[in-house]
Amino acid sequence: DAGITQSPRHKVTETGTPVTLRCHQTENHRYMYWYRQDPGHGLRLIHYSYGVKDTDKGEVSDGYSVSRSKTEDFLLTLESATSSQTSVYFCAIARGLAGGGETQYFGPGTRLLVL
Amino acid sequence: TQLLEQSPQFLSIQEGENLTVYCNSSSVFSSLQWYRQEPGEGPVLLVTVVTGGEVKKLKRLTFQFGDARKDSSLHITAAQPGDTGLYLCAGSVGTSGSRLTFGEGTQLTVNP
Repeated sequence: DAGITQSPRHKVTETGTPVTLRCHQTENHRYMYWYRQDPGHGLRLIHYSYGVKDTDKGEVSDGYSVSRSKTEDFLLTLESATSSQTSVYFCAIARGLAGGGETQYFGPGTRLLVL
Repeated sequence: TQLLEQSPQFLSIQEGENLTVYCNSSSVFSSLQWYRQEPGEGPVLLVTVVTGGEVKKLKRLTFQFGDARKDSSLHITAAQPGDTGLYLCAGSVGTSGSRLTFGEGTQLTVNP
């Protein structure tokens, strides 16, 4: 358990509305990530953060923005939701390994349906 | 762009059988992780391998990292219904704050 929570866990919204998903961690990890998971595509990186106010784009960042004003919170915003953004969204943190390197731990996910 | 190809995509076997899942790439990774995911939940880390040729065992699961650090395998001995789930491999090319490249996953069903 890496102390990651996501909210909401489920959301239904309409096309064109803004949506914000929240990821909260309790272990003060520097690196945080947002992924989406879709059938046939696996997990794809949307955005990631390497510290407060430091973020960068992943491979599928179009239509999404992020913010990190505190170490513990990483927000993902869909400025104007589209049906193609219906997906399951996962937040992750990176934790160092005892022998060097690091690995990622995932939150429970948010299921988003855009009608 | 690093790509990870996972095979097979689907696997349905009987309880007690053995199986192997493969994760292959043309790219070199600094580490490779295996996750297991159940419906409605996030991926749960099973193991991380970091050294070429490394073998790690987790009860009935054996993980191997290829010598060239381009491929990995997961072998399950005497599969049980509780092993059912989506198995994902993911590779990293760095050592800090790295981005993971995921395979598409192997959906394993173990029938009683």
